[in-house]
Amino acid sequence: QVQLQQWGAGPLKPSETLSLTCAVYGGSFSGYYWSWIRQPPGKGLEWIGEITPSGNINYNPSLKSRVTISGDTSKNQFSLDMMSVTAADTAVYYCARGNGWFGAFDYWGQGTLVTVSS
Amino acid sequence: DIVMTQTPLSSPVTPGQPASISCRSSQSLVDSGGNTYLSWLQQRPGQPPRLLISKISDRFSGVPDRFSGSGAGTDFTLKISRVEAEDVGVYYCMQAQLPYTFGQGTKLEIK
Repeated sequence: QVQLQQWGAGPLKPSETLSLTCAVYGGSFSGYYWSWIRQPPGKGLEWIGEITPSGNINYNPSLKSRVTISGDTSKNQFSLDMMSVTAADTAVYYCARGNGWFGAFDYWGQGTLVTVSS
Repeated sequence: DIVMTQTPLSSPVTPGQPASISCRSSQSLVDSGGNTYLSWLQQRPGQPPRLLISKISDRFSGVPDRFSGSGAGTDFTLKISRVEAEDVGVYYCMQAQLPYTFGQGTKLEIK
């Protein structure tokens, strides 16, 4: 059974850097797309970016200037860094596995609430 | 970006009755290979989203057969044949052309 376990530091103050890591257990890291998605309190889902099976990185253009996604295949982990956060970045952040066969996110992490406040 | 628009935004349903959610995309979701990557997710209160259906109509492993998906091009529908109490939550459609985008969500409530 595939499980995604995520963690990261918080809460944050404006202008600080958000850092999250997601570890993949029970399944292969290769051959899949690994994404970060966020959900502000009481709102909908926003895709942040992904690592592809070939190691390429795709970002949502709306966040690209502040986001870095990286992966460590030796540890079956991938990470998200978002710099210069503001209160608008307060959200639950999810990691998720993208399955190219389905064109969908088939497994999700439990979510991490990141609060940005002065 | 492709905009996904869901209707209704809220749906009160009596247990045992059917429910239907529509999702419309701002452009065709058929890709160059002829595939349509439209999926539906369920998010129960306090939980991460869960995949229900991919590629318009393929139920994911473990999803009850009362859930079904249909549609083509820009118009898609999720149907629940007989709503149960455990179906309460928010339902999202999602398209898989970069950047991936989600509908705004439809809240399913029990009357």
